[in-house]
Amino acid sequence: QSVLTQPPSVSGAPGQRVTISCTGGSSNIGAGYDVHWYQQVPGTAPKLLIYGNINRPSGVPDRFSGSKSGTSASLAITGLQAEDEADYYCQSYDYSLSGWVFGGGTKLTVL
Amino acid sequence: QLQLQESGPGLLKPSETLSLTCTVSGGSISSSSYYWGWIRQPPGKGLEWIGSIYYSGSTYYNPSLKSRVTISVDTSKNQFSLKLNSVTAADTAVYYCARRSGMATIKAFFDYWGQGTLVTVSS
Repeated sequence: QSVLTQPPSVSGAPGQRVTISCTGGSSNIGAGYDVHWYQQVPGTAPKLLIYGNINRPSGVPDRFSGSKSGTSASLAITGLQAEDEADYYCQSYDYSLSGWVFGGGTKLTVL
Repeated sequence: QLQLQESGPGLLKPSETLSLTCTVSGGSISSSSYYWGWIRQPPGKGLEWIGSIYYSGSTYYNPSLKSRVTISVDTSKNQFSLKLNSVTAADTAVYYCARRSGMATIKAFFDYWGQGTLVTVSS
């Protein structure tokens, strides 16, 4: 049971927009710690997708965007493509646990 | 291009010690701007941070694993290592090494990852 809660799965048709939520609490996201997002294609290592709540590393398409408000954060993917099918994880820091924590992950299916 | 590569035994028996090494290439582990860390992922499950180390040897460990974990660094070889004592089947996972960017805790994230290595604990 992670302290960062994500929906187990989301889906969308090609071209559509989907969002993935990451809900935390007062000891992590709500305490002001940044939220970061990773994409993991099955059988491969996670790849950094969004850092510092809203920033994209070089090479990440602008179809991916992040936001943060209060004790939650969201990842939005617009213009959904088949290659976006993967697992997505949010990550932050939790001061009560004294460590970096990940959400449970969300499986994105492109219909 | 920075690359990280994990190495170590893939099969252990219960109560043995897991030992993995991460070799960093394309950059220096002695950079003052980064920490280096270990993260694991049990089969079919999510990610769990194990611990992080600075080139000076300063370490941070997941409190839930702290009693069994040791992370060390060898700057001469551009490597850092993980030891996990008294393993059980629950420690079966893919183990990743990664670079931690963002020196401030409030901003830290993992921007470069190794390909991961599966460690299975079974009698």
